[in-house]
Amino acid sequence: DAGVIQSPRHEVTEMGQEVTLRCKPISGHDYLFWYRQTMMRGLELLIYFNNNVPIDDSGMPEDRFSAKMPNASFSTLKIQPSEPRDSAVYFCASSSGTGWAGNTIYFGEGSWLTVV
Amino acid sequence: DAKTTQPPSMDCAEGRAANLPCNHSTISGNEYVYWYRQIHSQGPQYIIHGLKNNETNEMASLIITEDRKSSTLILPHATLRDTAVYYCIVRGANFGNEKLTFGTGTRLTIIP
Repeated sequence: DAGVIQSPRHEVTEMGQEVTLRCKPISGHDYLFWYRQTMMRGLELLIYFNNNVPIDDSGMPEDRFSAKMPNASFSTLKIQPSEPRDSAVYFCASSSGTGWAGNTIYFGEGSWLTVV
Repeated sequence: DAKTTQPPSMDCAEGRAANLPCNHSTISGNEYVYWYRQIHSQGPQYIIHGLKNNETNEMASLIITEDRKSSTLILPHATLRDTAVYYCIVRGANFGNEKLTFGTGTRLTIIP
């Protein structure tokens, strides 16, 4: 089975540009998570969705960040305008809520973002 | 979710069992213990989880103490590919606790 698919895998962009990261969760999963990883802050949750509805966006750093999930098989994380401090690895993850107690969250391979 | 405490780093000889400890003294009755690992440049990988009984799968064993205040992840025959950062995470079992909160983990180095 295909895992969580993220694109692009690597992106270098200039400060001020818009960045869009994409994620396709595992088919049938109804939870989708966006994490960010930096050396300074480690792995931190930005936002997560259940059945395409945002449940907790308290980790979204500021208004420059937005996330959408228009359908069960696609989500985007957008940064506009981007800044050098946004440079990080962004991970998407998904899980099934069915019998969720003790279920597993599966991560994608990440999108490496560099803002210069 | 309860906090966890792990040693920052450990070494283990190739072929030996790697035993990674985790303290979670404030764990509540309905919280699970999860272990993930992250190999350099890759996404976190699920290893195993448990509630109160010991668990084993093809990757590892999880030993949870009777009072559930600590646990140990055991990699029975460590290989060089097991070099990674290992995260012990306590996760609640009710709506609103679906997320995983990562700490700093244990950096395990397998030595040839």
